[in-house]
Amino acid sequence: KAGVTQTPRYLIKTRGQQVTLSCSPISGHRSVSWYQQTPGQGLQFLFEYFSETQRNKGNFPGRFSGRQFSNSRSEMNVSTLELGDSALYLCASSLVSGGEQFFGPGTRLTVL
Amino acid sequence: GESVGLHLPTLSVQEGDNSIINCAYSNSASDYFIWYKQESGKGPQFIIDIRSNMDKRQGQRVTVLLNKTVKHLSLQIAATQPGDSAVYFCAENRDGGSYIPTFGRGTSLIVHP
Repeated sequence: KAGVTQTPRYLIKTRGQQVTLSCSPISGHRSVSWYQQTPGQGLQFLFEYFSETQRNKGNFPGRFSGRQFSNSRSEMNVSTLELGDSALYLCASSLVSGGEQFFGPGTRLTVL
Repeated sequence: GESVGLHLPTLSVQEGDNSIINCAYSNSASDYFIWYKQESGKGPQFIIDIRSNMDKRQGQRVTVLLNKTVKHLSLQIAATQPGDSAVYFCAENRDGGSYIPTFGRGTSLIVHP
């Protein structure tokens, strides 16, 4: 069974731009969660989608948004990028909300 | 097991030794805890979990201990191997509530052959 895939793996953007990251969950998994990982703040929960609905949200500004499609694939968008948004963005999928999560390799975003 | 700033606490052990990684959690209402392993360049990998109605849970070569009185969690790895070298971190969540996990900062485990 294929694991969680994320595209692109690396991305360089400039301040003020917006970015969209993609996550394909393990087949059959309906929950997708997004996380931001930085050396300073560690791993932080962004939001979780289940059956195309956002179920839970962490403490991030509205510039961070996401969506989930009917095939469970998910996208995350960050608008008006700031230098502090440079991070590894991870997505994880699980069969059910709150279930054992399987992480993808992440997308390394650098904001210049 | 908590860190400040950019530097993670590091635990260096010899191959074959037992390793103990600690984590202090913050929310007394948390009732579900998970340990993850993250190797360089990879996403975190689930190791073992424990719910608050248990004090101890064992897996293959790993044991998690939960002390709710002092809000402390530990991960014990038996007969540590070079392949165990990674960053380990714990996560806490209120299982009965919304799934909004909070993660510890992590501990870097280095296993010397």
